[in-house]
Amino acid sequence: DSGVTQTPKHLITATGQRVTLRCSPRSGDLSVYWYQQSLDQGLQFLIQYYNGEERAKGNILERFSAQQFPDLHSELNLSSLELGDSALYFCASSVGPRDQPQHFGDGTRLSIL
Amino acid sequence: GQQLNQSPQSMFIQEGEDVSMNCTSSSIFNTWLWYKQEPGEGPVLLIALYKAGELTSNGRLTAQFGITRKDSFLNISASIPSDVGIYFCAGWVIAGGTSYGKLTFGQGTILTVHP
Repeated sequence: DSGVTQTPKHLITATGQRVTLRCSPRSGDLSVYWYQQSLDQGLQFLIQYYNGEERAKGNILERFSAQQFPDLHSELNLSSLELGDSALYFCASSVGPRDQPQHFGDGTRLSIL
Repeated sequence: GQQLNQSPQSMFIQEGEDVSMNCTSSSIFNTWLWYKQEPGEGPVLLIALYKAGELTSNGRLTAQFGITRKDSFLNISASIPSDVGIYFCAGWVIAGGTSYGKLTFGQGTILTVHP
């Protein structure tokens, strides 16, 4: 058990819709990272938050946004969904802003119909 | 952007055999990491390498950080059925002039172990 909790485990929705993925980091970790895993692109870094503030951005689309709340949980919002957004979305956490993501959650599988 | 070339893409081996996989890049990394991912789960960190030339072991796993900082290998000795999974290398670099880093993953090596 990594200590990182992601909900929901599975999400099925239609094109054009909006969804929110939730992540609770491991106790004591202040950094949260979001990754997208797809067959064609592999694991791609999306965005990092540290103690409530955005720290780094990767290949995140403008239709996607995230935030980290005072209790350190994070949400990834995906809007105007397209078929190509179907993927596994992972959250990871670490203690500091410059630490590598040490602990990954089990992911949310998003299927767009 | 930075890219990692991980090979082989897949391996089919017999239980008891040794396994070797590697990653190369045209870019320099500050840290190399190796993760394992099993079906339905997120990646699990196996080994982290912080210095060029560093050789680190974790049980039957051994990994090395290349001298040029552009490559790394992972060896698994005496493989067992529970070694099955996808192994990812990842390179970590601190973005110049910033206080954050970015992790770039290789495409993964799918390992199958036949009993």
